[in-house]
Amino acid sequence: IAGITQAPTSQILAAGRRMTLRCTQDMRHNAMYWYRQDLGLGLRLIHYSNTAGTTGKGEVPDGYSVSRANTDDFPLTLASAVPSQTSVYFCASSDNYNSPLHFGNGTRLTVT
Amino acid sequence: GQNIDQPTEMTATEGAIVQINCTYQTSGFNGLFWYQQHAGEAPTFLSYNVLDGLEEKGRFSSFLSRSKGYSYLLLKELQMKDSASYLCAVRDRNYQLIWGAGTKLIIKP
Repeated sequence: IAGITQAPTSQILAAGRRMTLRCTQDMRHNAMYWYRQDLGLGLRLIHYSNTAGTTGKGEVPDGYSVSRANTDDFPLTLASAVPSQTSVYFCASSDNYNSPLHFGNGTRLTVT
Repeated sequence: GQNIDQPTEMTATEGAIVQINCTYQTSGFNGLFWYQQHAGEAPTFLSYNVLDGLEEKGRFSSFLSRSKGYSYLLLKELQMKDSASYLCAVRDRNYQLIWGAGTKLIIKP
């Protein structure tokens, strides 16, 4: 089934540890996004990529980095996790900047 | 700043009709989206409006007034499975999506 796969589904991480959240899509979409979702807040964009080889900063990029080596993969790295990064992380993709977003099932991350 | 306002929570009865409102103030406008998100799941796309007026898709309809910065999602013949959060999002002049915090809809039998 075509779509977006995120891994892991959930993770408990000690503060200060490094962590990479994986995201892979098989729809050949050009644009990919990483969002975090916290209770009472709207989805907040962390980083995005309009096409393979390019990335950009979103609303809340600090403490996160991304890469886009190819069309399908868009990993998100937390270099040194802090408790405020406890959240649900969604990866999404779209065919172009004007198309609806398709979301992965999310990664629930707890930083202790 | 850019802002999307939606009611935090609404309650409706199975079989009834409910209207979820969304008002926005953004830097430019390039379309408005509605998404449905069941608890613990990913958001899924419901509707898209870029021109004023009503878009109908089965039991769901979405309305847009660009001059008023206003949209609503209308759900008819409510079913228990419609219990979910409904997210309003607007694309600004840079084609970035600005998201509302979502409206949690509770359906009672």
